[in-house]
Parts: sequence; C-alpha cells; structure tokens
Amino acid sequence: NSKVIQTPRYLVKGQGQKAKMRCIPEKGHPVVFWYQQNKNNEFKFLINFQNQEVLQQIDMTEKRFSAECPSNSPCSLEIQSSEAGDSALYLCASSLRRVSNERLFFGHGTKLSVL
Amino acid sequence: GQQVQQSPTSLVLQEGENAELQCNFSTSLNSMQWFYQRPGGSLVSVFYNPSGTKQSGRLTSTTVIKERRSSLHISSSQITDSGTYLCAMGRDTGGLSGKLTFGEGTQVTVIS
Repeated sequence: NSKVIQTPRYLVKGQGQKAKMRCIPEKGHPVVFWYQQNKNNEFKFLINFQNQEVLQQIDMTEKRFSAECPSNSPCSLEIQSSEAGDSALYLCASSLRRVSNERLFFGHGTKLSVL
Repeated sequence: GQQVQQSPTSLVLQEGENAELQCNFSTSLNSMQWFYQRPGGSLVSVFYNPSGTKQSGRLTSTTVIKERRSSLHISSSQITDSGTYLCAMGRDTGGLSGKLTFGEGTQVTVIS
C-alpha cells in the first residue's frame, strides 16, 4: 500500500482565490511528481522534483502554479489565482529514481473544485 | 494528437469472463507502465517497466516496446477488478526526469 499522503482530500475555492495542496512522499523517495487529472480522465504532468530541485515543469506550472519540496517539510502545489478550468484531481506521486521505468507510488489526490 | 491510445474506452464483463485491454503509442518510448485506479481512489502500479510477458495474479501484460504496444489481460474477472486501467509511456531524455504520459484509460465494470 502506498504511503504517499496528500492533504486536503477535497478543496473548494472561488475563482481568483489561492489553492494550496500538500504531499508527503513515501519515506526515502527523493523524486516527487505532480499530475493533474481532469473529469475526462486526461492526465497532465505538471512538475517534478528530486529533493528540492525542479527536474521538469510545463509552461502552465511556471506561470500560475508554484510548487516546492523543502527539506523536512511536505511538498506543496499552489495555484495563485484559481480558474474554473483548474477543477481537477491533483495527484502526487513519489519514486526512488528519476527514470520512467521506476515504480511510482501515488497518493489519493486532492480534488479541487473552483466555483 | 494523442500519444497514448487505449482501447476499448469502456468494458462490461460478466464475473468470470476474461478481457484484453490494449495500449498503443504513437511515438517512440523507453518504457511504459500499467496502473489501476478505483473510482475516487489513488492509482496503484500494476506493472512497471514490463517487457515481453509478465504475470501478476490474474493479470498478464504483454509489451513490445519496439512495436509501441502493450496489452493487459484480465483472466477470470471479479467484481473487485472494476475500475479504470491506465497505461503510461516514458521517454527519458539525457537529463532524465521520469515523466510519464498517460492514456485516458479503459473503464472496466464487472457485474455478477
């Protein structure tokens, strides 16, 4: 069973509000990923880290989203000014290595609803 | 266009029936993975880095990376197999990152 912990489980925000979610990766996993899954089951990779260093991120993440993985603290993903289109399930995953053939462990996700 | 194509989109099985889910990739890839997701639940890794044929319980994956395809076979389906099965591909570049590109999944419903 995965021990990736995501909080909160549900998040409801108005348009323009900040939305912040957190993730504690599996113990000993230095690589952390954030994915967005929309209501059509479409996954979008947002950003990933190795320890505190950003490995890769998409344009959207650079502009409206901010994310960090400080040492000895949960990782976080924050949307500065929420839009209706941001409503989705945000999934955090962790792994041992920064390669695509490594096993990923996912949390339960944070379901964001932007009204 | 969609880099990862899964078929069928959905499937209804009578308990005990077998099923085969397909995953095709439109670009070259280094690796792929299969995941299972319950409604409202987290993703669980089913097979990671499979090549050739791999079996785990009643699930069997057959992957040919060079041909850009993979299939997942469910044998003797049970009601608890209901959920969404997702495949994902990886194309690690020089810098490496582990990023995966997911398909849209096959929704499986097993009825008694």
